[in-house]
Amino acid sequence: DIQMTQSPSSLSASVGDRISITCRASQSIGNYLTWYQHKPGTVPKLLIYAASNLYSGVPSRFSGSGSGTDFTLTISSLQPEDFAVYYCQQTYSAPSTFGPGTKVHIK
Amino acid sequence: EVQLVESGGDLVQPGRSLRLSCAASGFTFDDYAMHWVRQAPGKGLEWVSGISWKNVSIGYADSVKGRFTISRDNAKNSLYLQMNSLTVEDTALYFCAKTLSRGSTNWGDMDVWGKGTTVTVSS
Repeated sequence: DIQMTQSPSSLSASVGDRISITCRASQSIGNYLTWYQHKPGTVPKLLIYAASNLYSGVPSRFSGSGSGTDFTLTISSLQPEDFAVYYCQQTYSAPSTFGPGTKVHIK
Repeated sequence: EVQLVESGGDLVQPGRSLRLSCAASGFTFDDYAMHWVRQAPGKGLEWVSGISWKNVSIGYADSVKGRFTISRDNAKNSLYLQMNSLTVEDTALYFCAKTLSRGSTNWGDMDVWGKGTTVTVSS
């Protein structure tokens, strides 16, 4: 099975900051990588699919990059509504696997 | 409006069975792969199972393989998860989710999620 890791596990940031979250797969997954945002009490939201494709309606401050085993989610200018947990997911093969999540909270 | 509504969650004893359902509306259900994802209390997201749009492909997490069975009834626009031999580790909020692209064969890209149904396994 493909294992996913994320770093950091949590980060403190201020509104307006540029932040990056890294996701690493235990083997090459091409561009089969998806990013979600999840806030407590709500359902996860799709942000990025196929590593770098912005899902409809997602603000352009979100971007994804990478291929193979190393991927990055970047938020160019953090907004108050962006404080949440971010998960990567490999969609290359079953069983699909999520990363452990990165919690972004206010500094 | 595209909508997914889960049902069937309950409090059950270890070793018992439960069947979750997910009613889909607002889209051509047959055309999309569907998934179950769960979140245990205080934990992250865990992909549980997925089924392709034509039932050609089915996958399970190692933690549920051999105990859970995913199925779909395209005539009823419904997705199911039969859960047998439940353990306390299966306690979680279970989400039903739709794959983004029609006819997609990948194992994710979930763009629409239900609100979830709670399964509690306890003696």
